[in-house]
Order: sequence, then C-alpha cells, then structure tokens
Amino acid sequence: KAGVTQTPRYLIKTRGQQVTLSCSPISGHRSVSWYQQTPGQGLQFLFEYFSETQRNKGNFPGRFSGRQFSNSRSEMNVSTLELGDSALYLCASSFEGQVTEAFFGQGTRLTVV
Amino acid sequence: GESVGLHLPTLSVQEGDNSIINCAYSNSASDYFIWYKQESGKGPQFIIDIRSNMDKRQGQRVTVLLNKTVKHLSLQIAATQPGDSAVYFCAEKGGGFKTIFGAGTRLFVKA
Repeated sequence: KAGVTQTPRYLIKTRGQQVTLSCSPISGHRSVSWYQQTPGQGLQFLFEYFSETQRNKGNFPGRFSGRQFSNSRSEMNVSTLELGDSALYLCASSFEGQVTEAFFGQGTRLTVV
Repeated sequence: GESVGLHLPTLSVQEGDNSIINCAYSNSASDYFIWYKQESGKGPQFIIDIRSNMDKRQGQRVTVLLNKTVKHLSLQIAATQPGDSAVYFCAEKGGGFKTIFGAGTRLFVKA
C-alpha cells in the first residue's frame, strides 16, 4: 500500500510569508503527527491529530497551526515565516496515536530566505 | 522538561562487528521507548520498541536494552552491514499521543 505522502518536497519562502504543507497518511491510519527536524534541535514534536481533533501540541509558537480533514489528510500552516523556521517538516501516520510504530513521509524541506 | 538525549553523536564500526548505540532519558513516566533509523533523504523508520516494564527485547539482528535504574536505553545491532549506516534516534512515548525524540547518533559502517 502507498506510504505517507508529503507535498511539496521542497519550498523556498521569504520572511513574513506563510506556508501550507500537506500530508496524506497511509490508508486506514487516523492519527497524523507533525515534527520539525533541524540539525541543531533534532526532531521536535509539533502536534498530533486524530479524527479531525488536535489531541496534543508541542512547544511551538501560535504561528504554527494544523488541521485534519475527514479523510485523515492533514495540513500544517506556518504564518509570518522567520529564518529559524527553515527545517525539514515530517509527517507521521499511525492507525491510532497511542501505538509506537509510526510511518513517516519523506518530509518537506522548507527554506526561508 | 522531558528530554531524551544521546551519549555519542557519531559511531563508526567495521562491517560485521556489533554496534551499540546508547541513549539517556529523563522521563520515568514514559510507557514505551522506541528506536528509529533515518537514512539520508528519508523519513525515520521504526526499528523496535520496548515497554517500560521490560528490560530486554530482541528483533531481527537488533536488541534493545532498558535500564530504568539509570534511565538508559541501548540499541545493539548484530553483524553490522553497510545498509545499517544511518542516523539512529531513540524516542519515548508516554501519555498524550506524542513521541519525544533524542538528538540522534550517526552510524558509519566501514567496509
């Protein structure tokens, strides 16, 4: 079956702009989590969605937001981009958020200039 | 706050040798500890997990050891192969539907 699909793969944005990233989970998976990966901070949890509800949120400013649709696809949005938002954004899906095995997409590489 | 850290950022081993990747954690309340492997250009891939009430679990060529007394987790890879070259992350999962990742250890396998 198809894996987790993230689009776009690469993005270049200017400071102050906003960006929307998309994640399509594995068919049948209802939990979607987002992570930010940077060389300095590693993988940091952003938020987790299940059945269109955000169940947990990491320690990120309100500029980072997300949502999940009825088909479990998820989007995350970053407004008023800062240079420090440059990172690889990873999405992971699982059947249910409490299981330990999550399946990651290849990520979206965001560069803010 | 919660944190999962790694002892060594880089590990270099000879092909065929065993690899041991170590990790320290701080949250004693975590239910599960997990190891992920990330190859260049790919997202992390689940390797193995261990429940907090266990001290050892074996998979295919991998063994995870959990020492709750010193809050230490390790991943042992037997007969390391070139395909094992990657960054390895330890992670912990408790309540709250989130997984906390460590900083990662890069494993180099020398032919």
